[in-house]
Parts: sequence; C-alpha cells; structure tokens
Amino acid sequence: NAGVTQTPKFRILKIGQSMTLQCTQDMNHNYMYWYRQDPGMGLKLIYYSVGAGITDKGEVPNGYNVSRSTTEDFPLRLELAAPSQTSVYFCASSLAGGPDYEQFFGPGTRLTVL
Amino acid sequence: SQELEQSPQSLIVQEGKNLTINCTSSKTLYGLYWYKQKYGEGLIFLMMLQKGGEEKSHEKITAKLDEKKQQSSLHITASQPSHAGIYLCGAMNTGFQKLVFGTGTRLLVSP
Repeated sequence: NAGVTQTPKFRILKIGQSMTLQCTQDMNHNYMYWYRQDPGMGLKLIYYSVGAGITDKGEVPNGYNVSRSTTEDFPLRLELAAPSQTSVYFCASSLAGGPDYEQFFGPGTRLTVL
Repeated sequence: SQELEQSPQSLIVQEGKNLTINCTSSKTLYGLYWYKQKYGEGLIFLMMLQKGGEEKSHEKITAKLDEKKQQSSLHITASQPSHAGIYLCGAMNTGFQKLVFGTGTRLLVSP
C-alpha cells in the first residue's frame, strides 16, 4: 500500500491564481482530512469528509473548497490564492472517526503564495 | 474549544540523555495521539493512548496518559540523533470528528 499520497510536493502561486491539491489513499478509509500547518504552529483542520459525497468544514475553511466523489480521492481547491494561504498542507485518512482510529498522514504540499 | 499546550517548545539534549515532553489539555482527553514530524516531512504516528493511566512503549519511547486524562507525557530514554524532529500531540475533539493538535516540541539531539 502506498498509504496517503499528495501532489504536488511544492508549488508557488501568484496572488489570485487557483490550484488543486491532490490527495489519494489506497487503504479504503472512510474518513479523510485536510490540515494546514503554519510555521511554529500546530496543524489546523480545514475540511474533512466522513465518506464519499459527504464533506464538512473544519476550523479554517475560508478560501478553500473540497469534494469527495470517490472513497480514494479528496482534492482541496484554492480559488483565489492569497499570501495568508502560504503554508504546508497535509492530507490524512482514517478508517473511521473517533479516538480508536489512527490518522495516517501524507507527506505534505508546501505552498507559497507571492 | 479544546486546546493543547506542549512543553517545552524546543529542546536540545546531548546524545544518550533522557528527556520528557508534556502535553496538557484544556479539556478531558478522549484519545491522545503522539506524532513525530521530521523537518520538512509528513507526520509519523508514534502511539495512541485512550485510557487514563495507560502507558505504551515503542523502542526507547514511552508515552503515558495521566489518570485524570488531561495530560500526557512522552519520554525518550538514551536519546539518539534519529530522535530529532518535531513531536506533536493530538487529541480528538468532543465530537470525535477531528484531531486538535498542540504546537509541537522541536527536539535536537547533539552528538
């Protein structure tokens, strides 16, 4: 199993540009998550999904959109990039929700908005 | 909302020394997770604790969840350069939808 994979690994955007961060998991996990990690800070949840077709907002959803058309994929869309979105983005998945289930993380995407 | 505070924020220890990292929650913990992040990389799962008083070990790393379930400690015995990285504690929020993370502890191990 590849686990959780993310593409691209690095990206530089200009203000106002759009892009999609890709996330795929091959563990047949129901739950998937997008986090962002700012320098010196912990991770904050952007969006999460409890299954195909179901998504919900996390702590910091503004400026982002997600979709979950399949169990495997959970892309994150930035429509109008802003410098405040410069961060490292992590995708994660878990078999189910709750404290019994470990979240598996992807390697991250480093995004810089200039 | 639940907050996790980690201490210390950063730590430099000499190789072979023991160290402890603490994670204190503002609310009761329902599942406490420890992750390690190497600089510039993703998160690696270390351990998960669920019950008050629970203690788990993996190689030279031991994690405990206190009886009152509002604090966890991560102890590394005889530290090695390979232990260097950022240690993050995470806890399930009360709705069990997401992990709330602490701000991390940066560990450097000097030879």
